[in-house]
Amino acid sequence: GAVVSQHPSRVICKSGTSVKIECRSLDFQATTMFWYRQFPKQSLMLMATSNEGSKATYEQGVEKDKFLINHASLTLSTLTVTSAHPEDSSFYICSARGRDRAPETQYFGPGTRLLVL
Amino acid sequence: GENVEQHPSTLSVQEGDSAVIKCTYSDSASNYFPWYKQELGKRPQLIIDIRSNVGEKKDQRIAVTLNKTAKHFSLHITETQPEDSAVYFCAATLTGFQKLVFGTGTRLLVSP
Repeated sequence: GAVVSQHPSRVICKSGTSVKIECRSLDFQATTMFWYRQFPKQSLMLMATSNEGSKATYEQGVEKDKFLINHASLTLSTLTVTSAHPEDSSFYICSARGRDRAPETQYFGPGTRLLVL
Repeated sequence: GENVEQHPSTLSVQEGDSAVIKCTYSDSASNYFPWYKQELGKRPQLIIDIRSNVGEKKDQRIAVTLNKTAKHFSLHITETQPEDSAVYFCAATLTGFQKLVFGTGTRLLVSP
């Protein structure tokens, strides 16, 4: 299979602090990673696409200075929510595509539930 | 860009009945259509997918049909079971294109 892990699974932080979420592909090389945000009872909203070694491409309306994405290796991408505020509370999910996998298939991580107080 | 609509938003069935969820897409160039099942608080899991060179695909109780002319694709679940209860998302993309575009989701509830 293709396993994607995320850490932490849940985090509670104070308003104004920064939170880093890690996404790892455990058994394949992820050439592309995607970061999604999902609010309760809503669909997955793509925030950004990152290719290994390149700058992330952000979707319209997503602040690149607030949601910092780093994809420094073929197995790790990180999302940092800077100066988090209560409205950033959400379920953040990463997904990955691999060079030796079907090109369209995305494998999802288990998600990180962020609560900003 | 691609836009995917999904209906219904909620679907309640009795155990053993069939369930059908429908999606329409806007970009005729899209050629890959996966379906994901997401249980509460969990990751989306790919349950079946179809490419545009095929009209139908089946995997045990699950089947997907694709009508390229009408730009429709549907998920069919037969002999539903309570463990099928979840939110189902359709998606569409073009091979070589980066993004999956997701539908709005269907909450399926299967009552014993």
